[in-house]
Amino acid sequence: AQTVTQSQPEMSVQEAETVTLSCTYDTSESDYYLFWYKQPPSRQMILVIRQEAYKQQNATENRFSVNFQKAAKSFSLKISDSQLGDAAMYFCAYRSARGNKLVFGAGTILRVKS
Amino acid sequence: DAGVIQSPRHEVTEMGQEVTLRCKPISGHDYLFWYRQTMMRGLELLIYFNNNVPIDDSGMPEDRFSAKMPNASFSTLKIQPSEPRDSAVYFCASSDGTSGGATYNEQFFGPGTRLTVL
Repeated sequence: AQTVTQSQPEMSVQEAETVTLSCTYDTSESDYYLFWYKQPPSRQMILVIRQEAYKQQNATENRFSVNFQKAAKSFSLKISDSQLGDAAMYFCAYRSARGNKLVFGAGTILRVKS
Repeated sequence: DAGVIQSPRHEVTEMGQEVTLRCKPISGHDYLFWYRQTMMRGLELLIYFNNNVPIDDSGMPEDRFSAKMPNASFSTLKIQPSEPRDSAVYFCASSDGTSGGATYNEQFFGPGTRLTVL
């Protein structure tokens, strides 16, 4: 079974600075998708960024980018120019290309200091 | 589109009572998912449907839990009888599995129902 591990229960970053959230996963499959979801205090789950495992190029969405290391099974999220609105719980998630089931990590609470 | 709609947003009930959570997926989406979020277990998939048919219910904790999808625009998750350990936030999500090229089939989440069983 696939597992997703987020080893940082909590992180802090100063406004306008850069922060990196870590995620590792375990799978025997070669074709899959990886996601980062944001959950603010409102509880709404918001997709931040996704990565297809067959793509070597790291995904980027505005201030959010990932460092995808397939061999190491690592998928970190970098947030540049952090804003107060980035404060939330961030979840890393895995989905096999052959299925529809999302497997989530335990989450990392991100605090942004002004 | 209004997004995935869940009701109620909050539910407080007493142990032993029946609880029914409701979900309306995004129109046109053919996949519907029920997730549960707790401090102890994080986010876990309970069950999902494709074209109203349950595909994988391996995450349903026990027989007290049941889910139905009578039509493409409505699903329910029922707990009978409820227990304090069922207290959690329950999310419904939907996705479009038929979009050509959208192979990652993004799941759109509802706002969740916070269930408290006393």
